[in-house]
Amino acid sequence: AQSVTQPDIHITVSEGASLELRCNYSYGATPYLFWYVQSPGQGLQLLLKYFSGDTLVQGIKGFEAEFKRSQSSFNLRKPSVHWSDAAEYFCAGHNTDKLIFGTGTRLQVFP
Amino acid sequence: EADIYQTPRYLVIGTGKKITLECSQTMGHDKMYWYQQDPGMELHLIHYSYGVNSTEKGDLSSESTVSRIRTEHFPLTLESARPSHTSQYLCASSENRGRTQYFGPGTRLLVL
Repeated sequence: AQSVTQPDIHITVSEGASLELRCNYSYGATPYLFWYVQSPGQGLQLLLKYFSGDTLVQGIKGFEAEFKRSQSSFNLRKPSVHWSDAAEYFCAGHNTDKLIFGTGTRLQVFP
Repeated sequence: EADIYQTPRYLVIGTGKKITLECSQTMGHDKMYWYQQDPGMELHLIHYSYGVNSTEKGDLSSESTVSRIRTEHFPLTLESARPSHTSQYLCASSENRGRTQYFGPGTRLLVL
């Protein structure tokens, strides 16, 4: 079955440090992959998406993600985290008109 | 980006009441979705629609029902609310040939 896995439930980083959130997918064909961010009590905001082409994808708020087929991964990165980046991050894959979401990674940022 | 609106944003209601959660979008998207999300948990698809007069049940069984009479409007109804329905409900939409879903701000429902 197709699935999306986020191995890290909770990550804590210091402000200004680099960040990498992990996402692994299980798909037979080329996947369509997304990263969303959710602030407390809010809906989901699209950070970036990968459909094809360049495997390094740039998104909003300084985030980027790299698609690695050999590792079945689509990890989200940011070189320098800001306190406002504290939120829940969801990786998702598209499958026959539906999005399959990972369980999310909660990011905490310390000053 | 799509403009997705959900009302109310917060609702506290007693057991047995009938409620309707509103969702509307202004981009003319054919596909619309409802997700249920418990605090700190993943999203579960409960209903979706490919267009007017189309409704399908999602992966998570839900006692709620939906309708799609107009393209822009996709309301969710609970005939008799129960405490087990307490959750956040998120609405989303996408273009007919698109794979990107755009989300509304959500409705937080508390059933006492």
